[in-house]
Amino acid sequence: DAGVTQSPTHLIKTRGQQVTLRCSPKSGHDTVSWYQQALGQGPQFIFQYYEEEERQRGNFPDRFSGHQFPNYSSELNVNALLLGDSALYLCASSSRRLAGDGTDTQYFGPGTRLTVL
Amino acid sequence: DQQVKQNSPSLSVQEGRISILNCDYTNSMFDYFLWYKKYPAEGPTFLISISSIKDKNEDGRFTVFLNKSAKHLSLHIVPSQPGDSAVYFCAASARKNSGGSNYKLTFGKGTLLTVNP
Repeated sequence: DAGVTQSPTHLIKTRGQQVTLRCSPKSGHDTVSWYQQALGQGPQFIFQYYEEEERQRGNFPDRFSGHQFPNYSSELNVNALLLGDSALYLCASSSRRLAGDGTDTQYFGPGTRLTVL
Repeated sequence: DQQVKQNSPSLSVQEGRISILNCDYTNSMFDYFLWYKKYPAEGPTFLISISSIKDKNEDGRFTVFLNKSAKHLSLHIVPSQPGDSAVYFCAASARKNSGGSNYKLTFGKGTLLTVNP
């Protein structure tokens, strides 16, 4: 049973560029959440997708956008990259259908390390 | 505004002894708490969770205690093993205010646990 997968593993971009990160959820999961983890910090919630719609959003600017596909996979897009966007981007999946009794625990992928020069 | 605080950046214990990791929170709406473990170059791995209706949850060597009046929780690992060496994150959510499931997680900054042989 494949867990959460993310691609690419590492990415280097320059300021002003745009980037797309990808996530495939754990088998049976229908909800994808994205988090940003800066160095020395805990992960910070960016947004969450369910049924191809953004359901919740954290305190991130509109430069951060996302998408969820019918197969539940998801993309995170960041436009006009800033140096401060350098971080580990984590995708987490969970099951809204099976929520309750702990089955809605979020499971994380290995992350994409983004470096902005 | 740090709603989840892990005040000890690091902790070192001897193999076989107890490890106690602490976490404080300020948001009284939080009603579900989780601990994740993170190795370098990997995503966070779910360890154990606790609902605010309980004050203790146990899973093998891991026990989480919740003191709602003090807004404090702790993770006990007994006995500690060298393989437990990792960064431990405390996370919290307000499930009741998130439609009951698939809540966003608010993380602390983490505590680096080192278990010495």
